[in-house]
Amino acid sequence: DQQVKQNSPSLSVQEGRISILNCDYTNSMFDYFLWYKKYPAEGPTFLISISSIKDKNEDGRFTVFLNKSAKHLSLHIVPSQPGDSAVYFCAASARNRDDKIIFGKGTRLHILP
Amino acid sequence: GAVVSQHPSWVICKSGTSVKIECRSLDFQATTMFWYRQFPKQSLMLMATSNEGSKATYEQGVEKDKFLINHASLTLSTLTVTSAHPEDSSFYICSAKGVSGVLANEQFFGPGTRLTVL
Repeated sequence: DQQVKQNSPSLSVQEGRISILNCDYTNSMFDYFLWYKKYPAEGPTFLISISSIKDKNEDGRFTVFLNKSAKHLSLHIVPSQPGDSAVYFCAASARNRDDKIIFGKGTRLHILP
Repeated sequence: GAVVSQHPSWVICKSGTSVKIECRSLDFQATTMFWYRQFPKQSLMLMATSNEGSKATYEQGVEKDKFLINHASLTLSTLTVTSAHPEDSSFYICSAKGVSGVLANEQFFGPGTRLTVL
């Protein structure tokens, strides 16, 4: 039973345009959400996070939106750059309960020149 | 700051042998370390949570006698895959959580170890 779902295994976006990566979750106990970027044969790198008390968090070119009623979050990257090509993992945790982070399967983002 | 290293970065071993993977927090003390496994095109699956000086807590379905975890100090945790078999071939990633402040709020991931069992 996947608690964090990323239904798009891959996404291609033109350089300079906006990349939107989507994520859905099923566990209503999750109160903290994270996005990680991962290159092949490397560990994930933390990108941005959002607490369930917020609906938006912005950091430079990266913005994460949270829709709690829909149990949906998205990562917006604008403008997309070639170095953004990587696998992006959505993750969630229930910090009021434990430290576990539950990951989605990831979405491979290709930035096209 | 908040750098986590893993050693080795890759290892190839024969079926039936044991392999030890080290996870170190280089510039901070980590009371809690986590071990994950990732199969190709799959998500990172948490295997176990390791607290310094105590026994690890394993996730359901993970054999604790097969995946031995030791967290003897605040900067080092080890994962030993005992009697490895080809189905244990995977990418093993550790993460570490600091003692206080900002470091206690996030998990910092190592670069991973690719294990191939022949």
